[in-house]
Amino acid sequence: AQSVSQHNHHVILSEAASLELGCNYSYGGTVNLFWYVQYPGQHLQLLLKYFSGDPLVKGIKGFEAEFIKSKFSFNLRKPSVQWSDTAEYFCAVNLNNDMRFGAGTRLTVKP
Amino acid sequence: DVKVTQSSRYLVKRTGEKVFLECVQDMDHENMFWYRQDPGLGLRLIYFSYDVKMKEKGDIPEGYSVSREKKERFSLILESASTNQTSMYLCASSLVPDTEAFFGQGTRLTVV
Repeated sequence: AQSVSQHNHHVILSEAASLELGCNYSYGGTVNLFWYVQYPGQHLQLLLKYFSGDPLVKGIKGFEAEFIKSKFSFNLRKPSVQWSDTAEYFCAVNLNNDMRFGAGTRLTVKP
Repeated sequence: DVKVTQSSRYLVKRTGEKVFLECVQDMDHENMFWYRQDPGLGLRLIYFSYDVKMKEKGDIPEGYSVSREKKERFSLILESASTNQTSMYLCASSLVPDTEAFFGQGTRLTVV
C-alpha cells in the first residue's frame, strides 16, 4: 500500500519567515496529490491539489507546492507566513479512491 | 458549497456500548469515507463507500462496521466500544474517484 511521509511534526516560525513543509510518498505510479489544512477548531479544508500539468501549483492564501516526480515529493511552500497560518497541515495522496494522509505537521507562527 | 455534516461534535460512551456515528452530505457525491485522526498518526482510513450499499475496508476496519443505505448518508458503527477507540472521527465525501475530499467537522468520541 502507498504511504505518505511528512518530515516535520512541529514547526515554529516567526511572522514573515519562509515556510517549506516536506511530503514524500511511496507509490511510483500516477497519483493525485493534495495539501489540506486544519485551523484550530475547524474542519479540514483543501489548500491545493495536483492532478497533472505544471508541477508548480498555487493554492489559497499564498501557498504553493511543487511536484517532483523523480523524488516522489510534493513540498508545500509559502514565502512569508502570517500568524493566521497557525494550523495543522496534511499531505495526501489519492490513487483509485485510496486516499492516504501523512501524519501532519503542526505549524505555529509567533507574532 | 459542499456540506458534510456529522451528527455529533462530542460523544461520551461506555465500554461495550454500540455506537453510531452519522454523516450526511448534501452534494450528491458518490464516494464517502470514515477516518480516525490521532495525534502523530494523521488520518487513518477506516472504511469507504463508492456507491449505495457498497463498502470497502480501509487500513483499520477492525472493531468497526459501516452502513450506506442512501447515497447521502454514511454511518460508522462501533459494535462494542472500547477505550482504544477514543479518537476524533472524520467523515468525508468526494464526487468521483481521485478528486478532492470534503470533510465534516469531526466527532470527538470518548469511551470510558
